[in-house]
Amino acid sequence: GESVGLHLPTLSVQEGDNSIINCAYSNSASDYFIWYKQESGKGPQFIIDIRSNMDKRQGQRVTVLLNKTVKHLSLQIAATQPGDSAVYFCANANQGGKLIFGQGTELSVKP
Amino acid sequence: KAGVTQTPRYLIKTRGQQVTLSCSPISGHRSVSWYQQTPGQGLQFLFEYFSETQRNKGNFPGRFSGRQFSNSRSEMNVSTLELGDSALYLCASSLAGAGGETQYFGPGTRLLVL
Repeated sequence: GESVGLHLPTLSVQEGDNSIINCAYSNSASDYFIWYKQESGKGPQFIIDIRSNMDKRQGQRVTVLLNKTVKHLSLQIAATQPGDSAVYFCANANQGGKLIFGQGTELSVKP
Repeated sequence: KAGVTQTPRYLIKTRGQQVTLSCSPISGHRSVSWYQQTPGQGLQFLFEYFSETQRNKGNFPGRFSGRQFSNSRSEMNVSTLELGDSALYLCASSLAGAGGETQYFGPGTRLLVL
């Protein structure tokens, strides 16, 4: 079946550095991807999305890159701050309102 | 605009009991999806409702059921609770649940089964 996977379960960065979180997917027909941030005790919070007709999309301090050739996407966070500490999930949205999530990467930001 | 709300936030039940969780979507959103989150399995899709109809269902036993009301509010029910049902149950809403829509999540209901 379809799967979405993350390369690293944990990532530790220094405050002010850039963070890169990676994700791989299996379904080449996937056309919509979302990154979520989940803080302890809260539900996933939408960060940024990208459609398959794009390679790159930028938000405020975040950039998502999509490489359809190798079925890989990444989330880049610029100038990482302590408030960015959370678990990050990539998700693939298929038809019918079903999101397929990766296992998540826990980002820790050291002051 | 208010976000997705879920009640209750915490629940403790014993094996064999049943539980009902409630979700109110963002105003104007007609699609509600439910997910189970556990440390071992991560986030798994339970089912999705649109216009009071279940349109999509994940791989969960029949003990897990849901419904949606005419105002788009949704409930999910778990009968004959098992220890393994302990999890964070999340609901998410979107405008119409189409494949290319963003889903917005509520804070979740944390269920502990003893």
